[in-house]
Amino acid sequence: GESVGLHLPTLSVQEGDNSIINCAYSNSASDYFIWYKQESGKGPQFIIDIRSNMDKRQGQRVTVLLNKTVKHLSLQIAATQPGDSAVYFCAENWGSGNTPLVFGKGTRLSVIA
Amino acid sequence: DAGVIQSPRHEVTEMGQEVTLRCKPISGHNSLFWYRQTMMRGLELLIYFNNNVPIDDSGMPEDRFSAKMPNASFSTLKIQPSEPRDSAVYFCASAPRDRGSETQYFGPGTRLLVL
Repeated sequence: GESVGLHLPTLSVQEGDNSIINCAYSNSASDYFIWYKQESGKGPQFIIDIRSNMDKRQGQRVTVLLNKTVKHLSLQIAATQPGDSAVYFCAENWGSGNTPLVFGKGTRLSVIA
Repeated sequence: DAGVIQSPRHEVTEMGQEVTLRCKPISGHNSLFWYRQTMMRGLELLIYFNNNVPIDDSGMPEDRFSAKMPNASFSTLKIQPSEPRDSAVYFCASAPRDRGSETQYFGPGTRLLVL
C-alpha cells in the first residue's frame, strides 16, 4: 500500500521578512522549553531556550515567547535569511524526575529568495 | 569541544546482519539519549542514560534493539538482526545535567539503510 509520511506544517516566508513559528505544548507542568533547528542531513541544533518563569527571551535575530495560560510557545526570526530554511522543533520538559524532553512534530520553514 | 560524535555516518547493510552504532557524548555531560527519526514517525526517543545507567528504554522497538553505556564517554546502539523497517536516521544526544531534561546537544546522526 501507499506509505504516508509525516506531514509537517510548512511556513513560506520572503527573504527579509520576519517569521513566526508556533507550537502548542502539552503539559501545563512543563518548566523548560527549547527550540531546535534541523537542516537537511544534519542533527537538530539548539537555538534558544526559555524557563517557565519568563514569558520572553531574545537571542541573536530570534525571540521566544511563552504563554503559559494557553500553553503556547512561539519562535520569531527577524529578517529571515535563506540559511534559516529548515525544520524547527519545539521541545518541553515535563518537569518530573528525570524525564527527558518531549519533542513536537516540527514545522518546515521555507525562505523564498 | 568537538560536540557529540557518532559513527558511522552512513551504514548500508543487508537484512539479518548485526548493526552497531556508536556515540561519544560531550565531555562532562551526564545524560545520553538515543533517538530514531523517520519520515513516518518523526523523532522518537529510544532510550536514555543518566550517569551511564539506563533509565528508560520503553522506546526501544523490540528485543532486537539493545544499548549500552560502558563508561561516560561511549555508548552503543545495536540492532541484531536488522530488518528493512529499521532504516532511519539514528541520533545520539547528550545533556549536561543528571536530570536529563536540560538542553540536549545532538550528534550528526547515523543514516542506516537495511536492504
